[in-house]
Amino acid sequence: AQTVTQSQPEMSVQEAETVTLSCTYDTSESDYYLFWYKQPPSRQMILVIRQEAYKQQNATENRFSVNFQKAAKSFSLKISDSQLGDAAMYFCAYNTNAGKSTFGDGTTLTVKP
Amino acid sequence: GAVVSQHPSWVICKSGTSVKIECRSLDFQATTMFWYRQFPKQSLMLMATSNEGSKATYEQGVEKDKFLINHASLTLSTLTVTSAHPEDSSFYICSASTPGAQETQYFGPGTRLLVL
Repeated sequence: AQTVTQSQPEMSVQEAETVTLSCTYDTSESDYYLFWYKQPPSRQMILVIRQEAYKQQNATENRFSVNFQKAAKSFSLKISDSQLGDAAMYFCAYNTNAGKSTFGDGTTLTVKP
Repeated sequence: GAVVSQHPSWVICKSGTSVKIECRSLDFQATTMFWYRQFPKQSLMLMATSNEGSKATYEQGVEKDKFLINHASLTLSTLTVTSAHPEDSSFYICSASTPGAQETQYFGPGTRLLVL
């Protein structure tokens, strides 16, 4: 079975600074997808970024980028120029074409003004 | 695009009553929807996979007779919590995938259930 591990229950960052959230996973599959979701206090799950395992290039979405290390099964999220609105719980998730996701336990990010 | 709605957004009910939660894909057809349960500051726990036109697939430990799932159309799945008890109080979230992109899930806004 696939597992996703987020080793940082809580992180904090100063506004305008950069923070990196860690995620590791375990799978025997070669073709899969990885995601970062943001869950603000409203609890609406928001897709932040996705990465296809067959792509070597790291995905980026504006201030959000990932460091995908397939051999190490690592998938970290970097948030640049942190903003107060980035404060939320962040979940790393793994999925295959079957659609059933496996989530990590989440990292609560605090942004200090 | 890829918007998923849930109704109601919150519900309070008496112990022993049943509560129905709707999940709709507004601008796409979803052959598969997923139902999750989430406790405060914890991760999402998959309860079941809802397939249009067939029986739902429940995760281990989830009582299928207590959490009834119906996926009657390509845009609607319902979760009914039968004979609700206070321990069923939780945040329930559904998600759906667009055809041809099953790996990406779009989430509804969730339903807060409080059983008194």
